[in-house]
Amino acid sequence: DTAVSQTPKYLVTQMGNDKSIKCEQNLGHDTMYWYKQDSKKFLKIMFSYNNKELIINETVPNRFSPKSPDKAHLNLHINSLELGDSAVYFCASSRDSTNTGELFFGEGSRLTVL
Amino acid sequence: QQPVQSPQAVILREGEDAVINCSSSKALYSVHWYRQKHGEAPVFLMILLKGGEQKGHDKISASFNEKKQQSSLYLTASQLSYSGTYFCGTETGTASKLTFGTGTRLQVTL
Repeated sequence: DTAVSQTPKYLVTQMGNDKSIKCEQNLGHDTMYWYKQDSKKFLKIMFSYNNKELIINETVPNRFSPKSPDKAHLNLHINSLELGDSAVYFCASSRDSTNTGELFFGEGSRLTVL
Repeated sequence: QQPVQSPQAVILREGEDAVINCSSSKALYSVHWYRQKHGEAPVFLMILLKGGEQKGHDKISASFNEKKQQSSLYLTASQLSYSGTYFCGTETGTASKLTFGTGTRLQVTL
């Protein structure tokens, strides 16, 4: 069983569309994250949730809306997609939020906006 | 602010050594190191929690100089499998916020 799984792995869409990425972890971790990796390979934190509560929101446009229905799932919905949203989006989890332990990453979801 | 890594890229022959540096403009609570192979997710290598701490993992080790707000990753007798992009990640006190560095691309050749 994959520890952190994301779907879909690839998305290709037109500007202005809306898309969602789903993430699930089976590690029993309390904390989940979304990271964005751009074309220059910079990995930037977007959001962090601890036991379904938002604890980090890194000045991400409000077109991005994360949702955590339970502590094992963290989804990312993006409205009105723009060219600059093209990137690989990684979901990750860690045991808790008191201090970041090892991050377990999903395989990534490559989003291409045309 | 994003930690700065140096060098940006390095090419080694198998068996050679390399050092990757990570510098922060802020006081550090901890430093993490990850390796990402092409087309894959980053994979955890190690965490250093205290200034002056050193850790080793096979032939990969790291040090953390809290006063200088720096960490270094040492790869000795490099193997082909070491190829990838190495990222440091730093925590400056805000719980669960890991800020990744600019990355160092390492290529090991025969």
